[in-house]
Amino acid sequence: KAGVTQTPRYLIKTRGQQVTLSCSPISGHRSVSWYQQTPGQGLQFLFEYFSETQRNKGNFPGRFSGRQFSNSRSEMNVSTLELGDSALYLCASSRTAGGGFEQYFGPGTRLTVT
Amino acid sequence: GQQLNQSPQSMFIQEGEDVSMNCTSSSIFNTWLWYKQDPGEGPVLLIALYKAGELTSNGRLTAQFGITRKDSFLNISASIPSDVGIYFCAGQEWADMRFGAGTRLTVKP
Repeated sequence: KAGVTQTPRYLIKTRGQQVTLSCSPISGHRSVSWYQQTPGQGLQFLFEYFSETQRNKGNFPGRFSGRQFSNSRSEMNVSTLELGDSALYLCASSRTAGGGFEQYFGPGTRLTVT
Repeated sequence: GQQLNQSPQSMFIQEGEDVSMNCTSSSIFNTWLWYKQDPGEGPVLLIALYKAGELTSNGRLTAQFGITRKDSFLNISASIPSDVGIYFCAGQEWADMRFGAGTRLTVKP
């Protein structure tokens, strides 16, 4: 079955602009979560969506937002970009099935802010 | 919130050796997760732990959820070259999810 896909894979933006990243989960997974990965701060949890509702949110400013559509696809948006927003943005889809937790990450979107 | 304390930062071992790494936190978690990330790829979930004291294996990997709920360790037995990568721990307590800085593992054939 197809894995988690993220688009675009690479993006260059300038300070002050906004950006929208997309994530398509594995079929049947209703939960999508987003993470930021940087050399300095490591992996950090952004937020999680389940059935179009934000279920959990990490400690990021309001410039970071997201949404989930009825087909479970998710987007995250970063407004008024700052240099420090340069990072690899990862999404993961997950489900709990048969008493176990399945989670798969996409390859990420590498965002560079100049 | 503060990230988890993961150690060691890096390990250089010979193929066939066993490996142990751990994560500690000042906060308690109800879930511990261990991931492996290869260059240019997203992390892969290796093991998920849900209960204090739980010991879970996945092939040559074994992980434990500490009794205090503030720590976890991951062991890899009989390492092979494809074990090379960065291993991350993560603790989760409701909406609070934090990660370790990673352990970079190098395996010499």
